[in-house]
Amino acid sequence: NAGVMQNPRHLVRRRGQEARLRCSPMKGHSHVYWYRQLPEEGLKFMVYLQKENIIDESGMPKERFSAEFPKEGPSILRIQQVVRGDSAAYFCASSPPAGDTQYFGPGTRLTVL
Amino acid sequence: AQSVAQPEDQVNVAEGNPLTVKCTYSVSGNPYLFWYVQYPNRGLQFLLKYITGDNLVKGSYGFEAEFNKSQTSFHLKKPSALVSDSALYFCAVRDIGGTSYDKVIFGPGTSLSVIP
Repeated sequence: NAGVMQNPRHLVRRRGQEARLRCSPMKGHSHVYWYRQLPEEGLKFMVYLQKENIIDESGMPKERFSAEFPKEGPSILRIQQVVRGDSAAYFCASSPPAGDTQYFGPGTRLTVL
Repeated sequence: AQSVAQPEDQVNVAEGNPLTVKCTYSVSGNPYLFWYVQYPNRGLQFLLKYITGDNLVKGSYGFEAEFNKSQTSFHLKKPSALVSDSALYFCAVRDIGGTSYDKVIFGPGTSLSVIP
């Protein structure tokens, strides 16, 4: 059973470009969570999604950030018009429908030049 | 609202000595408690969890944690530290409050250094 997959592992963007981060949950998991980790800081919750539904987006910045988890395919975290402050590691986690443990992917490290 | 505190940013311990990484929490209902470990440039790995039952929970890599309801603590322990245990450790809590959605809150993390 493959773990949570994230791609790309490293992403470099120039200011103003769009960043698109992908997350494929573990098989059988229908709940996906996105977190951001800044250098030397802890984990900050961004958004919680189930298939085709956003359950909790209280941690998402109001502008430029969006997330989706379509019926088919991976979950996508999209950052439009990136700024240097968006540089961070973005982690995805998944859990089964009735599960309580989140399993994390290896992360995508975004660098904005 | 639920919260998690890890009072130590950094813990240093000599190899072979016992280690403790502290965690305290605040919830309105019953807690589910978790420990995760993060090695450099890696994602978080699940170590162990407390849901109910025995207050002493055993997990991966020889780690264990003790749930103490009166002190609202869930400290992570290991009898004999290894250099390879050096990593960032996160405590997390889920407040089982009877709603349809119980968010998991992560602590700020504790950096553990095991000195040879």
